Amino acid sequence: GENVEQHPSTLSVQEGDSAVIKCTYSDSASNYFPWYKQELGKRPQLIIDIRSNVGEKKDQRIAVTLNKTAKHFSLHITETQPEDSAVYFCAASRVSRPLEYGNKLVFGAGTILRVKS
Amino acid sequence: NAGVTQTPKFQVLKTGQSMTLQCAQDMNHEYMSWYRQDPGMGLRLIHYSVGAGITDQGEVPNGYNVSRSTTEDFPLRLLSAAPSQTSVYFCASSSSGFGYEQYFGPGTRLTVT
Repeated sequence: GENVEQHPSTLSVQEGDSAVIKCTYSDSASNYFPWYKQELGKRPQLIIDIRSNVGEKKDQRIAVTLNKTAKHFSLHITETQPEDSAVYFCAASRVSRPLEYGNKLVFGAGTILRVKS
Repeated sequence: NAGVTQTPKFQVLKTGQSMTLQCAQDMNHEYMSWYRQDPGMGLRLIHYSVGAGITDQGEVPNGYNVSRSTTEDFPLRLLSAAPSQTSVYFCASSSSGFGYEQYFGPGTRLTVT
C-alpha cells in the first residue's frame, strides 16, 4: 500500500521568511496530492491540492510542486505570517475512473510550523 | 449548512466499555470516513463508506465497527474500549471520494483509562 513520509516534523521560521515542507510517496500510481492545515484544537482543512498532470500550482502565498519521477511533492509558503502557525499534513491518493472505491487517502505524519514574530 | 458535525466533543471511558461516536453531514455527500489522529502519526483511516449500505476497512479497523443506514449519518462503534484507542477521532465527508476535498468534523477527544 501507499506510504507517505513528511519532513521536517517541526519547522520554525521568522515572520516574513519562506517555509518549505517536503513529502515523499511510495506508490507510483498515486495521482492526487492534497495539503491540509490544522490550527490548534481545530479540524484539518484543505489549503491546496495538485494532480499528477500538473507540476506546480499556486494560490497567493502558497504553492505546491510535484516531481513524479522522484515521487515527492512540496509545500511552499512565502512571506510567512503568525497566522500560518499550524500543523500541516500532506497526503496521497490514487484516483482511477470509474472506480473510486478503494483508493484511500494516506496522510503524512504532519509538520508543526511555528512563525516567530 | 452545519457541514460535518460530531458528538460528543469529549469522552472518557473505562477499559472494556463500549460506546458510539456520532457523525452527521448535511451536504448530501456519498463518501464518509473515520480517522484517528495520534501525535506523530498523522491521520489514519479507520473505516469508510461510499454510500448508504456500503462500508469498508481502512488502515486501522480493529476494535471498531461502522454502519451506514442513511446518507447523512456514519456512526463509529467502539466494541470494547482499550487504552490504545485513546485518540482524537475525526469524521470526514466528500462529494466525490478520496481524490477530492475532505470536509472534516470538529473531532471527538476520547480517553480510555
